[in-house]
Amino acid sequence: EPEVTQTPSHQVTQMGQEVILRCVPISNHLYFYWYRQILGQKVEFLVSFYNNEISEKSEIFDDQFSVERPDGSNFTLKIRSTKLEDSAMYFCASSESGAETQYFGPGTRLLVL
Amino acid sequence: AQKVTQAQTEISVVEKEDVTLDCVYETRDTTYYLFWYKQPPSGELVFLIRRNSFDEQNEISGRYSWNFQKSTSSFNFTITASQVVDSAVYFCALSEAMGNTGKLIFGQGTTLQVKP
Repeated sequence: EPEVTQTPSHQVTQMGQEVILRCVPISNHLYFYWYRQILGQKVEFLVSFYNNEISEKSEIFDDQFSVERPDGSNFTLKIRSTKLEDSAMYFCASSESGAETQYFGPGTRLLVL
Repeated sequence: AQKVTQAQTEISVVEKEDVTLDCVYETRDTTYYLFWYKQPPSGELVFLIRRNSFDEQNEISGRYSWNFQKSTSSFNFTITASQVVDSAVYFCALSEAMGNTGKLIFGQGTTLQVKP
């Protein structure tokens, strides 16, 4: 069964460093998303991406964040200068359309020291 | 504004008990979609069900059933004869059709502990 994959599973970084989180969505899906979940809290929407552009972003998704689909399979989230409060689990998801079910990857746990 | 409320923070039951997880949502959109996801201790988000706003039929899948009532803006989830493997955090989520961006708004989640 097709699934969303994410790498790395864990990442530890120093405050101020750049990180890139990688995702491979399900191959026939056209909509891609990033969410984050701070430990013990709810899942929060960051950004949705369709047709090579951002279709919606949340207030959390400020200028420090960017997304890219560098080739036909990968979808990346970059955090330019990490802060302590960026420590969270980051989930990638994909769906066939904006109305269809989103399937989530296993997440990348980011720890900023 | 869209909002999802899961008022039950934690529920603890003994195996074989039935348990209902509540979900209340707010939206101004007339077309929307409701979801339940399960997050086991391993951390991944597992899709359970999707419902669109025009389909108020209740659904049963094995020990799981869902009760969607537009009149009360609720989409409750019942597990019958709970098992230890049902222990997880359960999230209800809402997606509005307007804009078709697919953004999911999650509730706070309900932690279900099923004791043997």
